[in-house]
Amino acid sequence: AQTVTQSQPEMSVQEAETVTLSCTYDTSENNYYLFWYKQPPSRQMILVIRQEAYKQQNATENRFSVNFQKAAKSFSLKISDSQLGDTAMYFCAFMKSRHHSGGSNYKLTFGKGTLLTVNP
Amino acid sequence: SAVISQKPSRDICQRGTSLTIQCQVDSQVTMMFWYRQQPGQSLTLIATANQGSEATYESGFVIDKFPISRPNLTFSTLTVSNMSPEDSSIYLCSVEAAGNTDTQYFGPGTRLTVL
Repeated sequence: AQTVTQSQPEMSVQEAETVTLSCTYDTSENNYYLFWYKQPPSRQMILVIRQEAYKQQNATENRFSVNFQKAAKSFSLKISDSQLGDTAMYFCAFMKSRHHSGGSNYKLTFGKGTLLTVNP
Repeated sequence: SAVISQKPSRDICQRGTSLTIQCQVDSQVTMMFWYRQQPGQSLTLIATANQGSEATYESGFVIDKFPISRPNLTFSTLTVSNMSPEDSSIYLCSVEAAGNTDTQYFGPGTRLTVL
């Protein structure tokens, strides 16, 4: 079974600064996907970024980038130029690749989340 | 990404009653999913719903408690039956992105409080 660990229950950052959220995972799979989702107080789960494990290049989406270390099973999220609207709970998630492993496993396994507060 | 809506957005229910939550997508999708988020917790998959077939439930979740319907490619319902206060949670539906498998997008969630 896969597990996802987010060791930082809460973090805070000043507006315009950079913050990094940590995530580690445990799996015996070789092909999988990793995700960061954010959940603001509105409770809508919003996809922030997606990484395919078989791609060595780190994914980037505007101010959001990841540091994917497959051997270390680490998947951190860096938010640059933090904005007040970035205040949210951030969840790291894992999914086994169906295309490589077959089967019908669509299950997203989530970490417990990191509450990020951006201060003005 | 698909636009996903859920009804109701929130509800307060009495113990022993049932509530049906609706999930509507603005495009046809093969896979729809239902998750539960208990207070202060992460998300847990309840079941996967394919159109035209029985839902597939995760360990710890049973059809009698959480019956699911999937009548077409844009709609699904989750019923929380015989509710108890332990069922107080946010219930979210998600869909697999078209043409971009292994990525799920979520609806806005339904906040359920059981008294």
